[in-house]
Amino acid sequence: GENVEQHPSTLSVQEGDSAVIKCTYSDSASNYFPWYKQELGKRPQLIIDIRSNVGEKKDQRIAVTLNKTAKHFSLHITETQPEDSAVYFCAAFTDKLIFGTGTRLQVFP
Amino acid sequence: DAGITQSPRHKVTETGTPVTLRCHQTENHRYMYWYRQDPGHGLRLIHYSYGVKDTDKGEVSDGYSVSRSKTEDFLLTLESATSSQTSVYFCAISETSGSPDTQYFGPGTRLTVL
Repeated sequence: GENVEQHPSTLSVQEGDSAVIKCTYSDSASNYFPWYKQELGKRPQLIIDIRSNVGEKKDQRIAVTLNKTAKHFSLHITETQPEDSAVYFCAAFTDKLIFGTGTRLQVFP
Repeated sequence: DAGITQSPRHKVTETGTPVTLRCHQTENHRYMYWYRQDPGHGLRLIHYSYGVKDTDKGEVSDGYSVSRSKTEDFLLTLESATSSQTSVYFCAISETSGSPDTQYFGPGTRLTVL
C-alpha cells in the first residue's frame, strides 16, 4: 500500500524567513496531494492541495510543488509569521488518504 | 468549518468497557471517515463509510466497529476498550471518493482508557 514520509519532523525559523517541508510517496498511482495545518488542540484544516496533472500551485504565501517522476511534493511558506506556527501534515490519495507523520513548525519573532 | 460535530469531546473510561463515539454532519456528504491521531503516527484511517449501511476497513481497524444508519451519523464503537486505544479520534467527511477529494475534519474526541 501507499507510504508517505515527511521531513523534517521539526522546523524552527525566524519570522520573515521561508520554510520548506518535504514529502515522498511510494505509490505512483497517487493522484491527489493535500496539505493540512493543525494548531494545538484543533482539528486539521486544509490549506492547499495539488492534483497530479499540475506541477505547482500557489495561494498567497504558500505554495506546493509536485514532482511525479521522483514521487515527492513540497510545501513552501514564504515570509513566515508567528501565526504560521503549527503542525503541518502532507497526504497522498490513491483510494484512501495516507498521511505523513507531521512537521512541527515554530516561527520565532 | 464544515458542519461536523463530534460527541463526546472528551471521555475517560476504564479498560474493558464499551465506548461509542458519534460523528454528526449537516452537509449531506456521502463519505465519512474515522481516524485516530497519535504522536509520531500522524492520522491513521480506522474505518470509512461510502453510504448508509456501507462501510469498509481502514489501516488500523482491529478492535473497532462502525455503523451508519443515517446519512448524517457515523458511529465508532470500541467493544472492549484497551489502553492502546487511548488517542484523539477525528471524524472527516467528503462529498465524493474514488476520485480525489477534499476531506473536512471534525473537532476531535480525546479518549483516555485507564
